[in-house]
Amino acid sequence: DTGVSQNPRHKITKRGQNVTFRCDPISEHNRLYWYRQTLGQGPEFLTYFQNEAQLEKSRLLSDRFSAERPKGSFSTLEIQRTEQGDSAMYLCASSPNPARIVNTIYFGEGSWLTVV
Amino acid sequence: QKEVEQDPGPLSVPEGAIVSLNCTYSNSAFQYFMWYRQYSRKGPELLMYTYSSGNKEDGRFTAQVDKSSKYISLFIRDSQPSDSATYLCAMMTGNQFYFGTGTSLTVIP
Repeated sequence: DTGVSQNPRHKITKRGQNVTFRCDPISEHNRLYWYRQTLGQGPEFLTYFQNEAQLEKSRLLSDRFSAERPKGSFSTLEIQRTEQGDSAMYLCASSPNPARIVNTIYFGEGSWLTVV
Repeated sequence: QKEVEQDPGPLSVPEGAIVSLNCTYSNSAFQYFMWYRQYSRKGPELLMYTYSSGNKEDGRFTAQVDKSSKYISLFIRDSQPSDSATYLCAMMTGNQFYFGTGTSLTVIP
């Protein structure tokens, strides 16, 4: 499978615990995005990377959230001290060409987080 | 007010019907207009995108953009049960995508 890979696909955690999600983009895709999608809503932008540089962060990305892409390949999204409101699907997407993102961006299948 | 508004439905139609899905938006800076299809617990996949006002056709799908009214539509002709999914409109400006809430569509055989 050469698509965007996300792990774990499902995570149930207790409130207050930390969780980390991993995204492996399509090979050689230098642009990587994180989105959050809650039930009945569309995806909401969290942050994006150009190679290893984090270029933009949404206001949704509170100080409990941190994203990294240390070598410009895979990325991790960590949520500290999880709250029930963090329950959502976390989507990763990647694109090879910032100039043509609109039709070259591919989404992963998402990582579902349930905070109990 | 959200930047992209979309009726969440749900919408239920018989097989073979013409489906019309719509979104409105408020940000004049949006440059690209997209429609994504999302199956349950899966990531969105791009169906169509347009840049300018007017129509764009791809098989049974037609995307329509009216920038003056800030209104976009997706028409599905001869709908099939396999079209049952959530359809998300999305708009892009700069490096960000802005999605609608999605419309849940069920095509009944």
